[in-house]
Amino acid sequence: AQKVTQAQTEISVVEKEDVTLDCVYETRDTTYYLFWYKQPPSGELVFLIRRNSFDEQNEISGRYSWNFQKSTSSFNFTITASQVVDSAVYFCALRGDSWGKLQFGAGTQVVVTP
Amino acid sequence: DTEVTQTPKHLVMGMTNKKSLKCEQHMGHRAMYWYKQKAKKPPELMFVYSYEKLSINESVPSRFSPECPNSSLLNLHLHALQPEDSALYLCASSQMGITEAFFGQGTRLTVV
Repeated sequence: AQKVTQAQTEISVVEKEDVTLDCVYETRDTTYYLFWYKQPPSGELVFLIRRNSFDEQNEISGRYSWNFQKSTSSFNFTITASQVVDSAVYFCALRGDSWGKLQFGAGTQVVVTP
Repeated sequence: DTEVTQTPKHLVMGMTNKKSLKCEQHMGHRAMYWYKQKAKKPPELMFVYSYEKLSINESVPSRFSPECPNSSLLNLHLHALQPEDSALYLCASSQMGITEAFFGQGTRLTVV
């Protein structure tokens, strides 16, 4: 069975603060893929990043950065210098050997106030 | 802008109505998906099509009937829905294999 846990239900920050979203996963598959998606109020799920289980290199994309640690089964996401446009629900997701099934975490609501 | 287009964006239907949700993508993806998302919950997988054939049905009630007429189109036919079926219905597509899925903006369905 696969499981994704996002323990933070909601995080509120003031603009320009950094915010880190936690994601912990469980899987028995030796090869698996982790994703982060952003869902603004409009409803569309926006793909942010994919990380393969065999690639633990961290990644930075602009104000976004991701920390993947297999030893702790975590794939955390940091937004640096947050902006109001970052306000959204962020989902961590896991796909194992069963390619068609994407297991989502419960999501973390990020609220950035001016 | 999303490259997965869903219509309509909003739909209100009675429990005896028949309606269809439509999804279109032109990215050459051969896998297409329907997800259902209730308020403040994550998306839940309903159906997966690969190469226009239904490959996964997550025990969805028969009042939801998917159809994939060609590699670019995906429909979800609705009949005799219940108020608890009110939700955001998201379509997605991806390349075959373990790759990211791209989502449309969804159809907000209200059953009255």
